[in-house]
Amino acid sequence: GNSVTQMEGPVTLSEEAFLTINCTYTATGYPSLFWYVQYPGEGLQLLLKATKADDKGSNKGFEATYRKETTSFHLEKGSVQVSDSAVYFCASLNTGNQFYFGTGTSLTVIP
Amino acid sequence: DAGVTQSPTHLIKTRGQQVTLRCSPKSGHDTVSWYQQALGQGPQFIFQYYEEEERQRGNFPDRFSGHQFPNYSSELNVNALLLGDSALYLCASSLVGGPYEQYFGPGTRLTVT
Repeated sequence: GNSVTQMEGPVTLSEEAFLTINCTYTATGYPSLFWYVQYPGEGLQLLLKATKADDKGSNKGFEATYRKETTSFHLEKGSVQVSDSAVYFCASLNTGNQFYFGTGTSLTVIP
Repeated sequence: DAGVTQSPTHLIKTRGQQVTLRCSPKSGHDTVSWYQQALGQGPQFIFQYYEEEERQRGNFPDRFSGHQFPNYSSELNVNALLLGDSALYLCASSLVGGPYEQYFGPGTRLTVT
């Protein structure tokens, strides 16, 4: 079947620290992979995506690489800011055009 | 460019009642998906509509039903509400021909008492 597993939070970092949020997936076939971000009281916003193995998605200083051999899509940022505080969701999209989301990882960045 | 809009923002209902939530997709999009997001959880797929028909369905009971109109807007109906139906309901739109990333609305917060 299809599923997405994220590292559990909450994660608290100091400003300018390095961020990694782990994400692994199980899927039949080769899904597209996404990271979405949700700010308090808002819907989900697409952060980045990768559609095939070894693709690297990037946006706003965040990066994630589609690793087929480890079925992973870990989110990284070299220097987090207070404004990055939010909940981050990893998701896979199967060939049936159905999304599967992880449970989310809450990030708090303190000045 | 108008994004995905949903109404109402918040709703309070009593057990056993029925509720209708509404969604207008992003301009140019033809596919609408609905998700339920319980507190502290990721969104769970309810169903997807394209060309006014339900194309896919997640693991939700028949109490959850929907509709898509010719202008691509959509409704989610939930009958015989249970306390466990309390959640944030998200609508997302996309293009059936791709790219397939979904654009989400701000959601409707449903509270069942």
